[in-house]
Amino acid sequence: QVTLRESGPALVKPTQTLTLTCTFSGFSLSTSGMCVSWIRQPPGKALEWLARIDWDDDKYYRTSLKTRLIISKDTSKNQVVLTMTNMDPVDTATYYCARINREDYGVHAFDIWGQGTVVTVSS
Amino acid sequence: QSALTQPPSASGSPGQSVTISCTGTRSDVGGYNYVSWYQQHPGKAPKLMIYEVYKRPSGVPDRFYGSKSGNTASLTVSGLQAEDEADYYCSSYAGSNNWVFGGGTKLAVL
Repeated sequence: QVTLRESGPALVKPTQTLTLTCTFSGFSLSTSGMCVSWIRQPPGKALEWLARIDWDDDKYYRTSLKTRLIISKDTSKNQVVLTMTNMDPVDTATYYCARINREDYGVHAFDIWGQGTVVTVSS
Repeated sequence: QSALTQPPSASGSPGQSVTISCTGTRSDVGGYNYVSWYQQHPGKAPKLMIYEVYKRPSGVPDRFYGSKSGNTASLTVSGLQAEDEADYYCSSYAGSNNWVFGGGTKLAVL
């Protein structure tokens, strides 16, 4: 069974750096075709794709946030980490990690999601 | 990258059909056959229902049907059941290794 779980601080102050961890099981990010994305949803707003890391360590970022985001993976720990710098109240959102399974669904669909973690940016 | 446009709500009675639209531009929905749909029940993780416009993952009932015309994709749920009541989100590839989502539609089964 494939599962993903997001973890990280519930509250960060403006200008601080947010570090979120996605811990997954049931698959390996060293397997060809496996990728993990981060997606967020501000309250009352649309989902926003943020970043993706692939099995071969290729990385992709939302154009408008590219300078603030870093995504990395620790294959041995089955974890993907997202770092977002210079946090602002507008970054308040539920943050999700989701798997992409290229072999079964291509690289444009997110087949398994975590439950999400709520992050509030406030002083 | 603007969000895709979905109606905030939709509804239908048990057994009826309902269609949820997802409107983008020729830079996303209209430009690629990479639209996917997700179902989310309250407090649960989103679930992939449709990928590449019309394809269903194993286990998704064939009551769920995806289609696309021009810049608008649609999800049709036929034979509505109580458990179909949920939020539905569309997503599309937007080129240059970026993806865009819709604002979500709350489906009520009356």
